Amino acid sequence: DAGVIQSPRHEVTEMGQEVTLRCKPISGHNSLFWYRQTMMRGLELLIYFNNNVPIDDSGMPEDRFSAKMPNASFSTLKIQPSEPRDSAVYFCASSPGADEQYFGPGTRLTVT
Amino acid sequence: RKEVEQDPGPFNVPEGATVAFNCTYSNSASQSFFWYRQDCRKEPKLLMSVYSSGNEDGRFTAQLNRASQYISLLIRDSKLSDSATYLCVVLTGGFKTIFGAGTRLFVKA
Repeated sequence: DAGVIQSPRHEVTEMGQEVTLRCKPISGHNSLFWYRQTMMRGLELLIYFNNNVPIDDSGMPEDRFSAKMPNASFSTLKIQPSEPRDSAVYFCASSPGADEQYFGPGTRLTVT
Repeated sequence: RKEVEQDPGPFNVPEGATVAFNCTYSNSASQSFFWYRQDCRKEPKLLMSVYSSGNEDGRFTAQLNRASQYISLLIRDSKLSDSATYLCVVLTGGFKTIFGAGTRLFVKA
């Protein structure tokens, strides 16, 4: 079975550019989560969806961040404009319910 | 105060040792608890769920104390392959997931 798929795996961009991170959850899972991980702040929940509907986006740091889930098999996290402090590993995770979450391999974002 | 706090690491133990990690949470309404494991430059993976009655999976034992709002993880007979960061996870309100900062474990030969 394919796990959670994220793309790209690595992204290097210049400050001010738009960045779009993509996630394909495990088929049949109805919850999807976006996280950001840094050395300083650890793993932070940014937003989560249930049945494609955003439930809580209180973790989204600023209006520069937005997330969508147009269907059950695809989600995006967009940063516009990007800043150097956005550099982090961004994980997507999916879950069949409100329990075990399966994480993707992450996207390592570097903003110069 | 952080919502989920863990023992500061790193823990350096010899093979075969028993090691215990603790984690405290601040929201008494939290309803689900987990331990995840994260290897260097990899994604977190579920190690085990934590139930009020306590649960055991091989060399790993997890316990929950709701009155004192802490959970624990005990690893017996440590292996080199147990070296990783162990993350305490608390769910509140159904889906709101809060990860602890993690405790690093190094098991040495």
